[in-house]
Amino acid sequence: GDSVTQMEGPVTLSEEAFLTINCTYTATGYPSLFWYVQYPGEGLQLLLKATKADDKGSNKGFEATYRKETTSFHLEKGSVQVSDSAVYFCALSQNEKLTFGTGTRLTIIP
Amino acid sequence: NAGVMQNPRHLVRRRGQEARLRCSPMKGHSHVYWYRQLPEEGLKFMVYLQKENIIDESGMPKERFSAEFPKEGPSILRIQQVVRGDSAAYFCASSPSISNEAFFGQGTRLTVV
Repeated sequence: GDSVTQMEGPVTLSEEAFLTINCTYTATGYPSLFWYVQYPGEGLQLLLKATKADDKGSNKGFEATYRKETTSFHLEKGSVQVSDSAVYFCALSQNEKLTFGTGTRLTIIP
Repeated sequence: NAGVMQNPRHLVRRRGQEARLRCSPMKGHSHVYWYRQLPEEGLKFMVYLQKENIIDESGMPKERFSAEFPKEGPSILRIQQVVRGDSAAYFCASSPSISNEAFFGQGTRLTVV
């Protein structure tokens, strides 16, 4: 079945550091790919998405490119802020079902 | 347009009691999904419903758990005879009929004591 594997956490970075959170997937078809963010005590919010190969999703300084050849959708940001501290989930959508990775907790220290 | 509304936000039940979790999807959304998040884990798909129909319940435990999405009113996730292992955050998401982007509620945190 479909699955998503993402970088184990927790990840701790200093403010203004470069961020990469790795995500790879396994799927039988051609899924859409997503990054969701969960702030403490909140539900998930869609951060960005890509619906086909080579698409780049971007939002709030975050980017991820749909790489079909490596089945990856790594999340990047050039300069993180304290307010980016949250749990980040990579997900794929196929057949009306979202499959999530286990999440990566990110902490940014001033 | 209000977002996905879940209630209650927090629910405490004793072992053996029933838990009823409610989810009102966004206006115009006819697809509802329920997910469970155990502490320090990702979200696990439970069930996907459209109005009055269960489309996919492959992630739902076979016993004690049931879900409905009636023609009128919210979607309900019902857990009978709760056990400590049911303690988790339960998230509902909704989407429009032809889109695969899901919008999440803030979740119901169930604690079984």
